[in-house]
Amino acid sequence: KQEVTQIPAALSVPEGENLVLNCSFTDSAIYNLQWFRQDPGKGLTSLLLIQSSQREQTSGRLNASLDKSSGRSTLYIAASQPGDSATYLCAVNSYGQNFVFGPGTRLSVLP
Amino acid sequence: NAGVMQNPRHLVRRRGQEARLRCSPMKGHSHVYWYRQLPEEGLKFMVYLQKENIIDESGMPKERFSAEFPKEGPSILRIQQVVRGDSAAYFCASSELSPRGAPNTGELFFGEGSRLTVL
Repeated sequence: KQEVTQIPAALSVPEGENLVLNCSFTDSAIYNLQWFRQDPGKGLTSLLLIQSSQREQTSGRLNASLDKSSGRSTLYIAASQPGDSATYLCAVNSYGQNFVFGPGTRLSVLP
Repeated sequence: NAGVMQNPRHLVRRRGQEARLRCSPMKGHSHVYWYRQLPEEGLKFMVYLQKENIIDESGMPKERFSAEFPKEGPSILRIQQVVRGDSAAYFCASSELSPRGAPNTGELFFGEGSRLTVL
C-alpha cells in the first residue's frame, strides 16, 4: 500500500528566498505524481503533473523533479513571494491504487 | 471550460439528518473521485466512480455513506443519519483518463469543496 510523506510539515521563509519542499513515497510503481496548492478554506489547485517517464516539470517559478527509484519528488520555488503562502500537497498515482496524498507542507512567506 | 463544480459550498445539518453533496466534473471528464478532509488533516480517498459505475469504494464507510454518478447529471455523495464526526470538507475531483490505465494518465482537477457542519 502506497504511503506518502512530506517534509517539512511547516516552513517559514522571508520573501525572495528559494526553497525546496520534499515528498517521499514508498512504492516506486507509479503512473505519475502531482503537486497541488491549497489556500485556507479553498480547494486544491493543480501546480505540476510529472509522468513516470519524466524527470522534471517546470511552470514559471516552480520546478518539480521526480526520482522514482528513490521514491522522491521535490518542488522547488524560486524567489518566493507572500502570495506563495499556502499548503502544498503531493499526490501519487500508483498501479492498482488511487491517488494517495501526503499530509502537506504549510508554507509561510514573510514580506 | 468550467472547472469542477461542487454544491452546496456550505451545509449545516443536525444529527440524524441527511446530507447530499453534488459534483459536476469538468467538461469531457468521465472519472470522478470524492475525498474527505478533516480539520488539520490530509485528504483521504473515499470513492472513485465512472459514469453509472462505482470503481473503488474502499475508502468509504460501509454504513450511511453512498455515492453515485448517473448517466445524466452530477455525481452525488449521500450521507444518511449524519453524526458530528461527519463534519468535514468533502472534495470532488475529476480526470479525463483512467488513473489505472496506460501511462500518461490524467491530471486531477478539484472543486472548491463542500463544507459540512453537523450540529
